[in-house]
Amino acid sequence: QKEVEQNSGPLSVPEGAIASLNCTYSDRGSQSFFWYRQYSGKSPELIMFIYSNGDKEDGRFTAQLNKASQYVSLLIRDSQPSDSATYLCAVNMFSQGGSEKLVFGKGTKLTVNP
Amino acid sequence: DTGVSQNPRHKITKRGQNVTFRCDPISEHNRLYWYRQTLGQGPEFLTYFQNEAQLEKSRLLSDRFSAERPKGSFSTLEIQRTEQGDSAMYLCASSYLAGRTDTQYFGPGTRLTVL
Repeated sequence: QKEVEQNSGPLSVPEGAIASLNCTYSDRGSQSFFWYRQYSGKSPELIMFIYSNGDKEDGRFTAQLNKASQYVSLLIRDSQPSDSATYLCAVNMFSQGGSEKLVFGKGTKLTVNP
Repeated sequence: DTGVSQNPRHKITKRGQNVTFRCDPISEHNRLYWYRQTLGQGPEFLTYFQNEAQLEKSRLLSDRFSAERPKGSFSTLEIQRTEQGDSAMYLCASSYLAGRTDTQYFGPGTRLTVL
């Protein structure tokens, strides 16, 4: 069973702090890694993707990938109350037939307190 | 609005009835995915199309579920003889494979409630 694991939280941080969200995955063949944000009752919204080891920055968000450790993380700097949401980690995985699909973690619920 | 659209947004039905959902992908996207999401879980893959070809179906997709994508444009997901366990958010996503990254964009979802 190919899996993506996330701490379900909730993770609570004060406004202005750095929020750190973590994700591990089981399939060493995975090549692309995504972070989605999902507000309650809404659909997932893409924040960013990463496919090379190291860091990738986009505004207040930094994704980090370590393929050797099968670990992906998302850092949110200067957290704002509007960042309060569930953050989903998604990893592309290949079936035996060669088809590609995204496998999601259960998500980490983040609360940013004013 | 050029994003992924889904209709209806909400559907309430009685157990045993059939329901059909529609997804219109972003126009230039050739890949279309269906997911199901229940409370407290991440989206679970159901099936995907590349153009009009259905390339993979999850084991979650029982015989009561069928999906089509005629002419490689919009897609429909039909659930026959609905059960209470089918109550969930049904999400559609589309993508266009560019280079090594297949980035999927989600529609607003259809929330199904089976009474």
